Amino acid sequence: DADVTQTPRNRITKTGKRIMLECSQTKGHDRMYWYRQDPGLGLRLIYYSFDVKDINKGEISDGYSVSRQAQAKFSLSLESAIPNQTALYFCATSDLQGTSGGKTQYFGPGTRLLVL
Amino acid sequence: QKEVEQNSGPLSVPEGAIASLNCTYSDRGSQSFFWYRQYSGKSPELIMFIYSNGDKEDGRFTAQLNKASQYVSLLIRDSQPSDSATYLCAVKRGGSEKLVFGKGTKLTVNP
Repeated sequence: DADVTQTPRNRITKTGKRIMLECSQTKGHDRMYWYRQDPGLGLRLIYYSFDVKDINKGEISDGYSVSRQAQAKFSLSLESAIPNQTALYFCATSDLQGTSGGKTQYFGPGTRLLVL
Repeated sequence: QKEVEQNSGPLSVPEGAIASLNCTYSDRGSQSFFWYRQYSGKSPELIMFIYSNGDKEDGRFTAQLNKASQYVSLLIRDSQPSDSATYLCAVKRGGSEKLVFGKGTKLTVNP
């Protein structure tokens, strides 16, 4: 089984709808991240969480919210989706105690979102 | 100036050649440097990380870091068609948990 899973893998929604993207991990990592990737713009950080009680905004948090339901689960919500939120969304995890990679981030398979 | 810059490419090399991918960064407080490979439609996967000036080798891959010049590179020896992908450079400032990514360089290895 994959260490970091994302659901759904693909989603088409309409402008104004609320949607939730979910991320689960079995790596036992304490830190989780949400990124979006757009052609020509690279990966940009939306939110990150160091533990269940710690949520931090990234560089592009407007229009998004998150919930860290448990150490292993981190959800991203679009309260009212708009077309420019069409993108590929990645969840990532890292380990506070990890010694290799300096807290290297490991990515889930991604969710492709299309907002019409 | 963008925080992490990469030549978008595409970079095209013949099979068996050395591919050289370059990355510059603007934050002198950066301490950790990562190279990720991303196949089209897939998630980024870590190839290598480097902290110290100099070279770090792992199989066919060598990462090179020069903090004075704010420059990190990735060399791929004996390039294979399966190496064709986009390579992302990422940089982390000391004390920060955020990775700042470059936009990536697309590499094509021609058989």
